[in-house]
Amino acid sequence: DTAVSQTPKYLVTQMGNDKSIKCEQNLGHDTMYWYKQDSKKFLKIMFSYNNKELIINETVPNRFSPKSPDKAHLNLHINSLELGDSAVYFCASSPPSRGNTEAFFGQGTRLTVV
Amino acid sequence: AQTVTQSQPEMSVQEAETVTLSCTYDTSESDYYLFWYKQPPSRQMILVIRQEAYKQQNATENRFSVNFQKAAKSFSLKISDSQLGDAAMYFCAYSKGFGNEKLTFGTGTRLTIIP
Repeated sequence: DTAVSQTPKYLVTQMGNDKSIKCEQNLGHDTMYWYKQDSKKFLKIMFSYNNKELIINETVPNRFSPKSPDKAHLNLHINSLELGDSAVYFCASSPPSRGNTEAFFGQGTRLTVV
Repeated sequence: AQTVTQSQPEMSVQEAETVTLSCTYDTSESDYYLFWYKQPPSRQMILVIRQEAYKQQNATENRFSVNFQKAAKSFSLKISDSQLGDAAMYFCAYSKGFGNEKLTFGTGTRLTIIP
């Protein structure tokens, strides 16, 4: 069973479209994240949710809106897609306990905006 | 703000040899965690090794070990007996140490294994 799964794995879309990426974890973790990996492979946090509550919101354009219907799911919706949004988006989760901060990553979604 | 620096964009090593990847970080915290993640061409992010800052003993995981120098804020990864499957991007990462803390990543080192 996949621990953190994202759909779709690949997404090609035109500028101006709206798209969503879904993420689900079956690890029982309380915290979920979205990271963005740019064309130079740099990974940076975008959002973090703990038990459905937003706890980290980095300087991300408000065209990006995360939604957590329950603590096992964290979706990412992107409005009015731009060329610069092309990247790999990773979902991750981590357990709540101090001393175990390992993040488990999904396989990533490669978004290409044309 | 915490920063993580990997000064080696690319490294290469002969199969079966040993290679060390460098990482330095900056933080004002006394309690934190450091990680090395591996990203092979499959794109999956795989945890290689983890170090708790309060532990003086360097972490080891089979052929992977770290040299953690807290005062110098240095956290290098040593890969012994390099194998072709070790070829990947390696990312050093930092977190403050609680379960809901974000990871701050370095820029990565691309490791090539020469057969």
